[in-house]
Amino acid sequence: AQSVTQPDARVTVSEGASLQLRCKYSYFGTPYLFWYVQYPRQGLQLLLKYYPGDPVVQGVNGFEAEFSKSNSSFHLRKASVHWSDWAVYFCAVSMDYNQGKLIFGQGTKLSIKP
Amino acid sequence: EAAVTQSPRSKVAVTGGKVTLSCHQTNNHDYMYWYRQDTGHGLRLIHYSYVADSTEKGDIPDGYKASRPSQENFSLILELASLSQTAVYFCASSDAGFSNERLFFGHGTKLSVL
Repeated sequence: AQSVTQPDARVTVSEGASLQLRCKYSYFGTPYLFWYVQYPRQGLQLLLKYYPGDPVVQGVNGFEAEFSKSNSSFHLRKASVHWSDWAVYFCAVSMDYNQGKLIFGQGTKLSIKP
Repeated sequence: EAAVTQSPRSKVAVTGGKVTLSCHQTNNHDYMYWYRQDTGHGLRLIHYSYVADSTEKGDIPDGYKASRPSQENFSLILELASLSQTAVYFCASSDAGFSNERLFFGHGTKLSVL
């Protein structure tokens, strides 16, 4: 069955440090992958999306993600985190061409140390 | 910016009571969705709709009904609320077709069933 796993429930990094949030997926067929961010007391917002093509995709606010078919992964990265990045990050895969029918991972809560 | 408005923002309901969660979008989107978020878990799709007066079952439809009386409005109905339905509920909308770029989420409704 299709699934998304985010192995780290919580991650804490220092402001200015680099960041990687991990995402592993299980999907039969061509995956369409997404990272969404949920800031405190808000709904989810799209950070970036992957369609088959260039494995490295750029998103908003300096985020990028790299798709790896061999590792079934879609890890999120940022070179230098800011306190405003404090949020919950969700990885998701599309079940079909309708992107609204997404399978979400459990989420990774990112905390920033000053 | 596309807008999805949910009401109420929070609700306390009694077991066995009827609960209606409402969602209104001004995006002129055809597709609308209801997701459920449980603490420590990702979002799961309850119901969705591609067009007014038609709804589809998502991954976890049991105990929920949906209603799409117009393109702008999409309601989630719990006829007999149960403790297990305590969660945060998100409504989302998206444009039709594979060229769709993203989901637009509301701020969520926190439902507590006592």
